[in-house]
Amino acid sequence: AQSVSQHNHHVILSEAASLELGCNYSYGGTVNLFWYVQYPGQHLQLLLKYFSGDPLVKGIKGFEAEFIKSKFSFNLRKPSVQWSDTAEYFCAVNGSPGGGYQKVTFGTGTKLQVIP
Amino acid sequence: GAVVSQHPSWVICKSGTSVKIECRSLDFQATTMFWYRQFPKQSLMLMATSNEGSKATYEQGVEKDKFLINHASLTLSTLTVTSAHPEDSSFYICSAPRDPGLHEQFFGPGTRLTVL
Repeated sequence: AQSVSQHNHHVILSEAASLELGCNYSYGGTVNLFWYVQYPGQHLQLLLKYFSGDPLVKGIKGFEAEFIKSKFSFNLRKPSVQWSDTAEYFCAVNGSPGGGYQKVTFGTGTKLQVIP
Repeated sequence: GAVVSQHPSWVICKSGTSVKIECRSLDFQATTMFWYRQFPKQSLMLMATSNEGSKATYEQGVEKDKFLINHASLTLSTLTVTSAHPEDSSFYICSAPRDPGLHEQFFGPGTRLTVL
């Protein structure tokens, strides 16, 4: 079974501070990794994804994440946050041992609050 | 990007009644859709996988007779909460992958169900 853990439940940062949100997963096979964002009052949106190739993935709005296979991690980073980044961030994993759809497992989410 | 809609966005019902929630993929066909439930301050929990033309696949612990899923067409899946009780109050979210090879899912805006 696959699982995802997010270490930070609530993060408060000042504008321009750097951000790193931790995500570790557990799965024995090939994985697809995602970060989703949910802005207040809005639905989930894909921030970035990793399927294969370069382990450093760049997403929208200046976010990036690095897949470190040896650590089973996929941490999300942004060098300088803005007030508009205030949202809840979910890490998710989708195992694909033989192709086709596999269920997506979500982490518990991290609420990011950016103070102007 | 791809759009997934849900209707209604919120619903209040009396205990014992049934409620139907629709999930539509607006600009693509989806042979598979997913239904999630999100409790306050918790992550998304996959309830079931809706398959067009066949029975839904339910996650362990989810009552299939309570949460009826019908994938009526390639763009519509419905979730019916039967004989709703207050503990069924939650936020229900559907998602659909547009491209089977990419495993990326597009989420609906969610439906807030309150059972009195």
